[in-house]
Amino acid sequence: TQLLEQSPQFLSIQEGENLTVYCNSSSVFSSLQWYRQEPGEGPVLLVTVVTGGEVKKLKRLTFQFGDARKDSSLHITAAQPGDTGLYLCAGVHPLASYDKVIFGPGTSLSVIP
Amino acid sequence: DTEVTQTPKHLVMGMTNKKSLKCEQHMGHRAMYWYKQKAKKPPELMFVYSYEKLSINESVPSRFSPECPNSSLLNLHLHALQPEDSALYLCASSHPGQARYGYTFGSGTRLTVV
Repeated sequence: TQLLEQSPQFLSIQEGENLTVYCNSSSVFSSLQWYRQEPGEGPVLLVTVVTGGEVKKLKRLTFQFGDARKDSSLHITAAQPGDTGLYLCAGVHPLASYDKVIFGPGTSLSVIP
Repeated sequence: DTEVTQTPKHLVMGMTNKKSLKCEQHMGHRAMYWYKQKAKKPPELMFVYSYEKLSINESVPSRFSPECPNSSLLNLHLHALQPEDSALYLCASSHPGQARYGYTFGSGTRLTVV
């Protein structure tokens, strides 16, 4: 069982559509991070959410951290082909005594022109 | 400089070869990490270095040997690998104790073991 679950696993949409991807856990996290990874490249940090209920915006991307700090969502408005990639949520393992960042399985997004 | 640089970008090696992966950062980070990522899977932690000392080995086989010669460099020495070790190897860095705020990743080394 994964500590971090993500849904949907795959998403294919037309350019201009809106979408939301989800990251869920049964455990409380001190923070959650969102990364985007393109094929053959390393993940790039998009945002870190720290406070329960927090909302952060990055251009057309809106990130929300659940009040109980067990879940997060990423909403993209008017998706563009450049948004295509693997979206990973991550957080420091709640039971680890050190900085062990674990990743969810990812959501693979394809935006069709 | 806000980058983590990994070399080589691609590596093909035989099962009897010895090779090394290199990672360099000049962000002033004193924690560095090696992750392994198989196709269509998330990254999995291998090693953590904090202040140039190995602090975590996630039960990685001894055919992988990490080294941190100084605060900017991280190496991964490879010997007698198996085909199933083929993967994208990612290096990352952060301030020690600050991983909860996120990592900076390199672009990875695509390793193929033949």
